Amino acid sequence: EVQLLESGGGLVQPGGSLRLSCAASEFTFSNYAMNWVRQAPGKGLEWVSLINGGGTSTFYADSVKGRFTISRDNSKNTLYLQMNSLRAEDTAVYYCAKSYSGYHAFDIWGQGTMVTVSS
Amino acid sequence: EIVMTQSPATLSVSPGERATLSCRASQSVSSKLAWYQQKVGQAPRLLIYGASTRATGIPARFSGSGSGTEFTLTISSLQSEDFAVYYCQHYNNWPLTFGGGTKVEIK
Repeated sequence: EVQLLESGGGLVQPGGSLRLSCAASEFTFSNYAMNWVRQAPGKGLEWVSLINGGGTSTFYADSVKGRFTISRDNSKNTLYLQMNSLRAEDTAVYYCAKSYSGYHAFDIWGQGTMVTVSS
Repeated sequence: EIVMTQSPATLSVSPGERATLSCRASQSVSSKLAWYQQKVGQAPRLLIYGASTRATGIPARFSGSGSGTEFTLTISSLQSEDFAVYYCQHYNNWPLTFGGGTKVEIK
């Protein structure tokens, strides 16, 4: 079964850092762009970042640009999100999501990992 | 940034009835529009991409239409499992953005 499994969430103080991981299985990981999408408690969805299949191109939402870095290790079928200078407004469930073929619609989602930024 | 506006915020519908959800883009996104369903405590599920193409395994009662700035998701006959929040998302340019969602609740 095609699957994405996030890990690395937790409680962090404002200004701190956290690295999220997303392990992919049962598809050719390197063939697809991958994304991070977040959802603050009780709120809607917000796209955070995308990386292409080869890891050579990245895109970010303005709200995280300069603070978050997306990367991938295709040899390990794993996607990452390095989050620095965290703020209270970064508190959310973070989902990794696979882009569908040549479209940037998201056909496979992980179960999400909660990040809480609080002192 | 393209702003996606969904209406209504909440839609009350009886089982078996038709539901029509709207999504408007602040500028043209061509047909680069997707719809998702999200149930409480679950990740979103892709329903529609390319404005009108159903994703794998999505029942035929879900249909999408529109292009440019105006889009519609129609659920022809609501089933109990369809009560959820629905989001539209464009992928025409960066940044990708979602609408605020429409909650479909039981009337």
